[in-house]
Amino acid sequence: AQSVAQPEDQVNVAEGNPLTVKCTYSVSGNPYLFWYVQYPNRGLQFLLKYITGDNLVKGSYGFEAEFNKSQTSFHLKKPSALVSDSALYFCAVRDMTGSGGYQKVTFGIGTKLQVIP
Amino acid sequence: DSGVTQTPKHLITATGQRVTLRCSPRSGDLSVYWYQQSLDQGLQFLIQYYNGEERAKGNILERFSAQQFPDLHSELNLSSLELGDSALYFCASSGGGVNSPLHFGNGTRLTVT
Repeated sequence: AQSVAQPEDQVNVAEGNPLTVKCTYSVSGNPYLFWYVQYPNRGLQFLLKYITGDNLVKGSYGFEAEFNKSQTSFHLKKPSALVSDSALYFCAVRDMTGSGGYQKVTFGIGTKLQVIP
Repeated sequence: DSGVTQTPKHLITATGQRVTLRCSPRSGDLSVYWYQQSLDQGLQFLIQYYNGEERAKGNILERFSAQQFPDLHSELNLSSLELGDSALYFCASSGGGVNSPLHFGNGTRLTVT
């Protein structure tokens, strides 16, 4: 069964500093990985995805993620954090082992990012 | 705006009651997913529909059921409600391809008293 782990409940970073939010995954086939962000009282918003190809994926709002197959990780990064980046971040993996539209998407527990002014 | 509409935004009801949550997916999206978000359980996958048919099932209780209609909107029915069912319920839609991310609605906050 596929799974996603986000080992940190909360990450604190000073404004202007680089940030990393960690994610590791477990899948039986090729990994299809996603990052989402959730602001208070809102639904999740898509940030970026890894399907195949380059190990560094660029996404929305200056975020990027680094895929590492040997470490089964997909860490979210940003070179310079903004206070407005403070939110809940979710890593997710899509199961593509089925057919006919079977696509279970499993989310991690979420990591709260707090950017300190 | 994700294009996914969920109604109602808030729902307060008593234990033992039954409620229906509604979701309209983004135009053109065939897949609809339902998730439950609570503080202690995180985001739990409940069920997925694709073009009217159930395709994947997660940790959905027998008291809960869902369906996707020919116009692709979906409803999640929760019955014999318990206090522990209080949570945010999200609907998401997707185009169905491997490259397609999920697009989430803003959720329905259910409070069972």
